[in-house]
Parts: sequence; C-alpha cells; structure tokens
Amino acid sequence: SAVISQKPSRDICQRGTSLTIQCQVDSQVTMMFWYRQQPGQSLTLIATANQGSEATYESGFVIDKFPISRPNLTFSTLTVSNMSPEDSSIYLCSAHGTGTPNTGELFFGEGSRLTVL
Amino acid sequence: DAKTTQPTSMDCAEGRAANLPCNHSTISGNEYVYWYRQIHSQGPQYIIHGLKNNETNEMASLIITEDRKSSTLILPHATLRDTAVYYCIVRALYNFNKFYFGSGTKLNVKP
Repeated sequence: SAVISQKPSRDICQRGTSLTIQCQVDSQVTMMFWYRQQPGQSLTLIATANQGSEATYESGFVIDKFPISRPNLTFSTLTVSNMSPEDSSIYLCSAHGTGTPNTGELFFGEGSRLTVL
Repeated sequence: DAKTTQPTSMDCAEGRAANLPCNHSTISGNEYVYWYRQIHSQGPQYIIHGLKNNETNEMASLIITEDRKSSTLILPHATLRDTAVYYCIVRALYNFNKFYFGSGTKLNVKP
C-alpha cells in the first residue's frame, strides 16, 4: 500500500496569485497523477507527473496554468497559477504502488481544497 | 477507454445488500472493470476490479456479465458508513495506468 500526504489540506487564495500543492508518498511509486474535483463534480485527470521529465497533460490542461514537478519517486508538486474563482476545487494527488501498476489499486491523498476569492 | 453509465443515485436500507449496476457496452477484450468509492471529503478508495470472472474481497463482490457489457458491485451488508459516491471505471492496462472517472452513483444507506 501507499500512504499519500498532501499540503496544504485547504487554503483561501486571492485572485491572480499562485499556490503550490505538495504531495509526499511514503514509498517509492512508479506513477503519480494529479486530479481536480470541482464542487459537486467527479474527478478530472489533470496530468501524469513523470519522474525526471516533463509532465503529460490531459486535454484542456496546460503547463503554464498547472506546472508540475516530480524530482524523485516519492514527491510531486502541482502549482495552480494566476488563480481565478473558477479554480476553486479540490486537487488530489494519486499514485500506483511499485507492486500495483497492473493490479489497479490507485492510492489517493485526502486532497487540497482551494477557494479563490 | 470505454465509457461507463451508472445511475445517479440509489438508496439502500442498512443491513441489506446494495447492488450497484454499471453499463459498459463498448468495453473491449483487454479492458478491466474497476470500482472505487469516495466518501464525503475524502480521497477515492479502491474497492475491487475484474476482467471477466466474478471477484470477491473483504469489501465487496463484483459480478461481470458473460458478454462483459455490464457489471454489478455488491456490498453484502450495507452500513451507514458505506454512504458514498461509487465509481465504475473501465481501463486498459496499456493506457499508461490512467484512470478516468465518470459521474458515479451516490449510494445513500438509510437506517
């Protein structure tokens, strides 16, 4: 299994500012992902955080708005840049364990709830 | 990945079995069916997955029809703590391990 910790758990931000969310996994993992969950909605995949290379973004998400880092096998960050009220969401970090890429068990953090005023 | 269709919401009496259906009529031969749930304000939690055989673990059972076009997640004795949104996801192992979540079913377990 993998335990995923995210910081901050929640924040209130001003329009136009940027916020970086940190994701720490308690063991080395192969794949890490970032999701967004807008109020009352399902999860939307933002990007795959690749260790040692640029993240792979899903359609509708761009690096300038959501820069991602993954310096090693246990840590990743997501920055939400130039925030607007439409960015108010829960941002979730997730990962496959080293033994689980083919078993389907994707672990999630508890999420970072951002409110943009 | 194949698209899934789930009812928006369902009710279940506490102690009774909860049967959550999922349609995935365009599923292909190498795609698995996964179930996750999200309890309010928490990250999603893995429940079970299968390819074509029925599967059972400590949390639930997964019944997949012979043609694989639909499946049912069964919680044998639902409790109030099982109130959550349940997501049925179809995913091919080659798809860089990505999971795309649909809208899910809100299960309300009532006393």
